[in-house]
Amino acid sequence: DQQVKQNSPSLSVQEGRISILNCDYTNSMFDYFLWYKKYPAEGPTFLISISSIKDKNEDGRFTVFLNKSAKHLSLHIVPSQPGDSAVYFCAASSGKLIFGQGTELSVKP
Amino acid sequence: DVKVTQSSRYLVKRTGEKVFLECVQDMDHENMFWYRQDPGLGLRLIYFSYDVKMKEKGDIPEGYSVSREKKERFSLILESASTNQTSMYLCASSSSGARGQTGELFFGEGSRLTVL
Repeated sequence: DQQVKQNSPSLSVQEGRISILNCDYTNSMFDYFLWYKKYPAEGPTFLISISSIKDKNEDGRFTVFLNKSAKHLSLHIVPSQPGDSAVYFCAASSGKLIFGQGTELSVKP
Repeated sequence: DVKVTQSSRYLVKRTGEKVFLECVQDMDHENMFWYRQDPGLGLRLIYFSYDVKMKEKGDIPEGYSVSREKKERFSLILESASTNQTSMYLCASSSSGARGQTGELFFGEGSRLTVL
């Protein structure tokens, strides 16, 4: 049973536009959420996180939004750059991390 | 520069062989993890360890075992490799801090295992 779901396997965006990656979860006990970015042939790297006591966290071009009532998490990248092309994993924690399936973002010049 | 190092980037093994995947971290982290990454399934937790000689099963431990004899080293063992264990294996570590087992994870570059 997939507790963390990323329903879009891929997303294509034009350079300079906004990228929105979505993540849904089912376990209301999750209290900490993270996004990781993965390039081919490399391990995932931490991007941004948010605690369940917040609904927004911003770091430069990256913003994570949390809607607890909808059990929905999203990552906004503005403006998108070709170097942002990667697989993005959301993860949720209630003591151990559960990852989503990943969304492959392609940013076209 | 902090690092998680996995000993082999690419391995090819035969069905029934014993496989060792080694992972070393230099950040003095208490927690270490083994995940596998498969298309459409994301990262799934195999085993984790929060202290030397301690281990806990993750979501998919069947067919795997682990060893943590030293704080910096966490090994994943496939006692008898099978074709359905062909995958990308990722090791990670984290400090305990205020978040217990799930502080930010630092990942190695991955080991791509093919079982023929």
